[in-house]
Amino acid sequence: DSGVTQTPKHLITATGQRVTLRCSPRSGDLSVYWYQQSLDQGLQFLIHYYNGEERAKGNILERFSAQQFPDLHSELNLSSLELGDSALYFCASSLLAGGDEQFFGPGTRLTVL
Amino acid sequence: GQSLEQPSEVTAVEGAIVQINCTYQTSGFYGLSWYQQHDGGAPTFLSYNALDGLEETGRFSSFLSRSDSYGYLLLQELQMKDSASYFCAVMGGQNFVFGPGTRLSVLP
Repeated sequence: DSGVTQTPKHLITATGQRVTLRCSPRSGDLSVYWYQQSLDQGLQFLIHYYNGEERAKGNILERFSAQQFPDLHSELNLSSLELGDSALYFCASSLLAGGDEQFFGPGTRLTVL
Repeated sequence: GQSLEQPSEVTAVEGAIVQINCTYQTSGFYGLSWYQQHDGGAPTFLSYNALDGLEETGRFSSFLSRSDSYGYLLLQELQMKDSASYFCAVMGGQNFVFGPGTRLSVLP
């Protein structure tokens, strides 16, 4: 158990809908990272927050947005969902902003029908 | 842009030693990380190299050569439970890029 929690574990929705994925980092960690992993694909970095502020953006679509709250939990919002958005979404956390040792949550499996 | 290359598959027998190579091209580089991911599971951190040389953690070692933009993960005394995908990842400050992954199969 990494200490990072993600909810929900599974999510099934329809095209055009909007969903929110939630992540709670390990106690004491200030950084939260979001990644997308499609079937048999590597991890695609989406976005990084450090202590409530956005620090880096990767291949995140404009339909996706995220934020980190004062209590350091983070939410990833996915809107106007398409079939291709079906994937595993991982949240990871680390103590600092360098990203050297990241602890991953169990992931949220999103299925768009 | 940034890109990483690693072999797609490696097969070895129990008790053997295997090396998984990773080459990278990046515009910014802080260090090279390695992660293990079992099927259906989350990635687990294995090691991080910011400086040239070898880092050893138990049966696993990781090496980095910044001048060659190259690193490797060395797994010794292979066990069946080591069968998994292994990802190298570049921590570049403004981006965190993972390689495509190497699927390691350990045979009895």
